[in-house]
Amino acid sequence: QQQVKQSPQSLIVQKGGISIINCAYENTAFDYFPWYQQFPGKGPALLIAIRPDVSEKKEGRFTISFNKSAKQFSLHIMDSQPGDSATYFCAASTGGGNKLTFGTGTQLKVEL
Amino acid sequence: KAGVTQTPRYLIKTRGQQVTLSCSPISGHRSVSWYQQTPGQGLQFLFEYFSETQRNKGNFPGRFSGRQFSNSRSEMNVSTLELGDSALYLCASSPNPQNQPQHFGDGTRLSIL
Repeated sequence: QQQVKQSPQSLIVQKGGISIINCAYENTAFDYFPWYQQFPGKGPALLIAIRPDVSEKKEGRFTISFNKSAKQFSLHIMDSQPGDSATYFCAASTGGGNKLTFGTGTQLKVEL
Repeated sequence: KAGVTQTPRYLIKTRGQQVTLSCSPISGHRSVSWYQQTPGQGLQFLFEYFSETQRNKGNFPGRFSGRQFSNSRSEMNVSTLELGDSALYLCASSPNPQNQPQHFGDGTRLSIL
């Protein structure tokens, strides 16, 4: 029940295209959903996060869509750039706390 | 403001040894969490410390332990190392347990021979 399922495992997108990564969860007590970006040799860096009281949050080219009834949330990267090539992780926690349950990661490659 | 600092960056140990990893959180952050990252299991929560007390613990054996000092710096210890302990160990800090987001360090890469 603590799992967060993430798909796809890998993704190739053309420059300027939209990258979409999906996550699903079972634990209805989750109430904080961040997305992290990780480059090789670096730790994860927070991109954007959402709480279940809103259905969408946008920050620059990054948008989280959240569907509480379906227990799903997704990351959309608009106008994808080669510099966006990285591994992306969704995560969730309860009580807004720091015990994050991570998805398995999506390796994104943006091609010219 | 300096980020989360983890030392050492790389470590090579042999089976049966023990190891101590160090984490200095962002100044003013009092909550420190540790995660293990492996290709097979992904990112897994180890434990969280706040005000020198362990608040949460993940599903890891007792060989994995940690502590936090009064200046919020934290250490984690792994005893009787096994090959499967080879991983990137990440530390993350936040102002307090209910105040997201967490900021991660770049980790300590532990290799067990």
